[in-house]
Amino acid sequence: GESVGLHLPTLSVQEGDNSIINCAYSNSASDYFIWYKQESGKGPQFIIDIRSNMDKRQGQRVTVLLNKTVKHLSLQIAATQPGDSAVYFCAESSGNNRLAFGKGNQVVVIP
Amino acid sequence: DVKVTQSSRYLVKRTGEKVFLECVQDMDHENMFWYRQDPGLGLRLIYFSYDVKMKEKGDIPEGYSVSREKKERFSLILESASTNQTSMYLCASSLNLNTEAFFGQGTRLTVV
Repeated sequence: GESVGLHLPTLSVQEGDNSIINCAYSNSASDYFIWYKQESGKGPQFIIDIRSNMDKRQGQRVTVLLNKTVKHLSLQIAATQPGDSAVYFCAESSGNNRLAFGKGNQVVVIP
Repeated sequence: DVKVTQSSRYLVKRTGEKVFLECVQDMDHENMFWYRQDPGLGLRLIYFSYDVKMKEKGDIPEGYSVSREKKERFSLILESASTNQTSMYLCASSLNLNTEAFFGQGTRLTVV
């Protein structure tokens, strides 16, 4: 929603540059991870997911990297566009039917 | 496309009122969820349901209850609304374990 971005870490990136958003997770039993994008006034939208048997997965202009050793997840956005301005959340699941979300990162694209 | 529809975008209720937030999904998903979202706190799970008439508490169930009488509908109930329940409420559904959850557009509830 419109106030989601308050108090969040903010990444400002020039249009056309690549963006990297990082996420640390805490549960070593988590085996499924998702990145969501939330634009102002909307619900979160699925971007890309990855399972723990992989360390990299690519989508259209996005790549997710998973480092299980240090419990770290990252989302890379290539050639960032103004429409990429949003709050980005990582989420993890350990197969217990629930997703645990991070607090989010605000991305601001500078034209 | 999966569609998760929440009945209201904005609600204003008075302290002590009983409040119903409704959510409907159209993809025959087994699991449905209610989250609340507050600045700086991210999304916190209130309740979820993995089948009709089944429910489980999430991380912050106090002050809330839920109802799932039909597979496509999951209701969140605030028995006696309080000002600290002013928040954005998000409903989601997923097909099964370890698949992505699809979200509704959210209901911004203000309790005065």
